[in-house]
Amino acid sequence: EAQVTQNPRYLITVTGKKLTVTCSQNMNHEYMSWYRQDPGLGLRQIYYSMNVEVTDKGDVPEGYKVSRKEKRNFPLILESPSPNQTSLYFCASSSPGNNEQFFGPGTRLTVL
Amino acid sequence: LAKTTQPISMDSYEGQEVNITCSHNNIATNDYITWYQQFPSQGPRFIIQGYKTKVTNEVASLFIPADRKSSTLSLPRVSLSDTAVYYCLVGARGDYGGFKTIFGAGTRLFVKA
Repeated sequence: EAQVTQNPRYLITVTGKKLTVTCSQNMNHEYMSWYRQDPGLGLRQIYYSMNVEVTDKGDVPEGYKVSRKEKRNFPLILESPSPNQTSLYFCASSSPGNNEQFFGPGTRLTVL
Repeated sequence: LAKTTQPISMDSYEGQEVNITCSHNNIATNDYITWYQQFPSQGPRFIIQGYKTKVTNEVASLFIPADRKSSTLSLPRVSLSDTAVYYCLVGARGDYGGFKTIFGAGTRLFVKA
C-alpha cells in the first residue's frame, strides 16, 4: 500500500530533550516536506526537500533540522525542544510535475 | 507561490451545494489551482486541480473564470462527512512539496443536519 508513515504518532517530552520524528514514504517520491499545524494558523511548512541531500527552509524553520540521506526517509530533528514547538506535525511527499502531495497520519508533540 | 484569500468559515446543511471561492489576484501564467481537504487530526487530501474553465471529478467541481484571478470549489449535495477544512493553493505544476508551499488557514466548512 502506497503510504507515508510517521513515528511516533504521539510524544510528550520536556524542554531541551533532543528528539527525532521519523518520516518514510514507499512511493519513490523525490519531494518531501514537513509541516506544523496550530489552531487558527493552518499548515505551515517547516522544511522541504527536492531530493537526496537537497533541503531548504520553509516558512517556520527555526528550532528544527532535517536530513535527507535516503530518498524514502526525511526525519525531523528538534535539538532542544521548547513549549512553543508543541504542535501537530505532518510529513508529506510528492513527485515533480504533480501537485498531489501525500500526507502522513501526523505526530502530535507536546513539549512541557 | 501566489497568495490566496479564502473565507475563514462557512456553514451549510446536508443536501445543499456548497461553493467556496478563493481569490488569487497575482496568479502567474504557468500556475495551477489546487484544492485540498482536511479532516480533524488527519493530513490534507488532494481533491481537485485545474488551470482554466471547469474541471469535474467524482468529488467536486472547480470553476475558473477567464482572468483566473479567482476560483470556486463546488461540492454538490454535501453530507455531514464533508465537514472539513478546505485549502486553496496556487503554484506551478510540480511546485508543491519540493518547493516552498503555502497552505494558509483554509476555509472551515461545517455541514449541519
